[in-house]
Amino acid sequence: ELKVEQNPLFLSMQEGKNYTIYCNYSTTSDRLYWYRQDPGKSLESLFVLLSNGAVKQEGRLMASLDTKARLSTLHITAAVHDLSATYFCAVDKNYGQNFVFGPGTRLSVLP
Amino acid sequence: ETGVTQSPTHLIKTRGQQVTLRCSSQSGHNTVSWYQQALGQGPQFIFQYYREEENGRGNFPPRFSGLQFPNYSSELNVNALELDDSALYLCASSLGDRGSREQYFGPGTRLTVT
Repeated sequence: ELKVEQNPLFLSMQEGKNYTIYCNYSTTSDRLYWYRQDPGKSLESLFVLLSNGAVKQEGRLMASLDTKARLSTLHITAAVHDLSATYFCAVDKNYGQNFVFGPGTRLSVLP
Repeated sequence: ETGVTQSPTHLIKTRGQQVTLRCSSQSGHNTVSWYQQALGQGPQFIFQYYREEENGRGNFPPRFSGLQFPNYSSELNVNALELDDSALYLCASSLGDRGSREQYFGPGTRLTVT
């Protein structure tokens, strides 16, 4: 059974600081997705990582994928308050049949 | 391009009742997946429909059922509602097994069972 873990589950950081969120998964998959969710809202797609070694950046966020280690990271650079949200990684379990989501990392950026 | 839409936005039902949630997929997408997201948790896969047929199912009982229509819109039906069914229900559309297989999520329906 595919399991997806995220670390940390809660993260409180100050504006301007850097931090990394980790996503580990238990079985082979070559596709990983990162989503953002604001309170009471739906999921917003951030990154689609389609192969080993993939790295994507958008603004202050950068995501990478290491399929051999079954690890993806979401790096936050010089955090700002607007990044406060819950971040989920999701692994494509069965050729798009369903995604298995991690528990989410609740990020709070403090001024 | 029209995004994924869901209706209703909010719903309150009583235990034992039945509910139908609706989803319109993004233009050009032929696959719809449904997820249940309990408060404070990640979404859990319920099932997926591809070209009007169920294409995979998660660990949900048979009282969770669905349909997909020729225009690729979809319904989620839940019978004999239980208190634990209270959650945000998300549908996501995609292009099936082509391309990045990225799923685009609708705004969700928040179901409260009392």
